[in-house]
Amino acid sequence: GAGVSQSPRYKVTKRGQDVALRCDPISGHVSLYWYRQALGQGPEFLTYFNYEAQQDKSGLPNDRFSAERPEGSISTLTIQRTEQRDSAMYRCASSPGLEQFFGPGTRLTVL
Amino acid sequence: KQEVTQIPAALSVPEGENLVLNCSFTDSAIYNLQWFRQDPGKGLTSLLLIQSSQREQTSGRLNASLDKSSGRSTLYIAASQPGDSATYLCAVTPSTSGTYKYIFGTGTRLKVLA
Repeated sequence: GAGVSQSPRYKVTKRGQDVALRCDPISGHVSLYWYRQALGQGPEFLTYFNYEAQQDKSGLPNDRFSAERPEGSISTLTIQRTEQRDSAMYRCASSPGLEQFFGPGTRLTVL
Repeated sequence: KQEVTQIPAALSVPEGENLVLNCSFTDSAIYNLQWFRQDPGKGLTSLLLIQSSQREQTSGRLNASLDKSSGRSTLYIAASQPGDSATYLCAVTPSTSGTYKYIFGTGTRLKVLA
């Protein structure tokens, strides 16, 4: 059984460009979470889906960040008009209930 | 606001030692606590999950305990090996949040010397 996958694994972009980060959860997992991790820190919660419904987006830093999960499976985190401070590791996790299973992350670098 | 602290921030030990990593949290209202291992360039690997009604969980050389009332958890690693070198993260799910989102600590960077 495949684990959580994320793509791309690395993304380098110029300031002002839009980026889309993809998460493919473990099949059958109802819940999907997005986190952001700065160097030397633990991951910080961004947003959470139950099936296709976005249940909590309290961690999204501002309105340049958005996420969707239209069919209750694959999710996309979009960052518009990227800024250098958006550079971080973006992690996705899926869960059948309590335990969360994390993907390898997408390392985003904004120049 | 729930805050999670991990002590020590970094630890270097010779191979074979038993060691304890500490995690403390400020609000005892949690659903569960999960310990993860993070290797450079890789995702987070789940080690142990302790539900709020449980006191400890064991897997191989790892044992995690939870004292919810005092806001503490410890991860015990027996007979450490160089392959145990990684960053260890603990995370709690606040039961007041309405979701199962995690609040993470900043981690303990462990190096086991051969």
